[in-house]
Amino acid sequence: GQQVMQIPQYQHVQEGEDFTTYCNSSTTLSNIQWYKQRPGGHPVFLIQLVKSGEVKKQKRLTFQFGEAKKNSSLHITATQTTDVGTYFCSNNAGNMLTFGGGTRLMVKP
Amino acid sequence: NAGVTQTPKFQVLKTGQSMTLQCAQDMNHNSMYWYRQDPGMGLRLIYYSASEGTTDKGEVPNGYNVSRLNKREFSLRLESAAPSQTSVYFCASREWGYSNQPQHFGDGTRLSIL
Repeated sequence: GQQVMQIPQYQHVQEGEDFTTYCNSSTTLSNIQWYKQRPGGHPVFLIQLVKSGEVKKQKRLTFQFGEAKKNSSLHITATQTTDVGTYFCSNNAGNMLTFGGGTRLMVKP
Repeated sequence: NAGVTQTPKFQVLKTGQSMTLQCAQDMNHNSMYWYRQDPGMGLRLIYYSASEGTTDKGEVPNGYNVSRLNKREFSLRLESAAPSQTSVYFCASREWGYSNQPQHFGDGTRLSIL
């Protein structure tokens, strides 16, 4: 399936700082889904992007899909301790989802 | 509404033992999936079932078998457990066929093989 690579693997931020994770592919993606996994929990769906250049917001979270549909980003403004967890991007290929390796966010209060 | 239910939540096995991980969903989804997640790693697809009566290999199927018992239930079997299969196993389901619906995950089974 189409592989998606995420960077960075880890990010430590001070509470109140911004955070961004990037998802990249060498091929054009049909769509991108983002999931969040809290420590010890299971992945939970956040959002899906389908259109070239699409931007969606959920409160302090901003999701973007690149114009060429080969990359995506998740930006969190003014992180809070509740944002701690691992953020995964995934690509839909037929009936399969291929997940990136995830970015683990740690927030220092 | 329970969503996706996995049993057991924890299990310790000895090398060579066999066991079956159970998964059931109550959302009437047609597609179900089994993933493994190793410490600090992403999710890797083991097997999936696009619809009742079909199963297909994912990225890491070796050492596993699956059964789609009915529309609700999808089980994963380890015939002869190996330490390399120590992992957290997640089952997921989603509606598939039109539009790209999100996957709904269970709480996971934490499996240790000694």
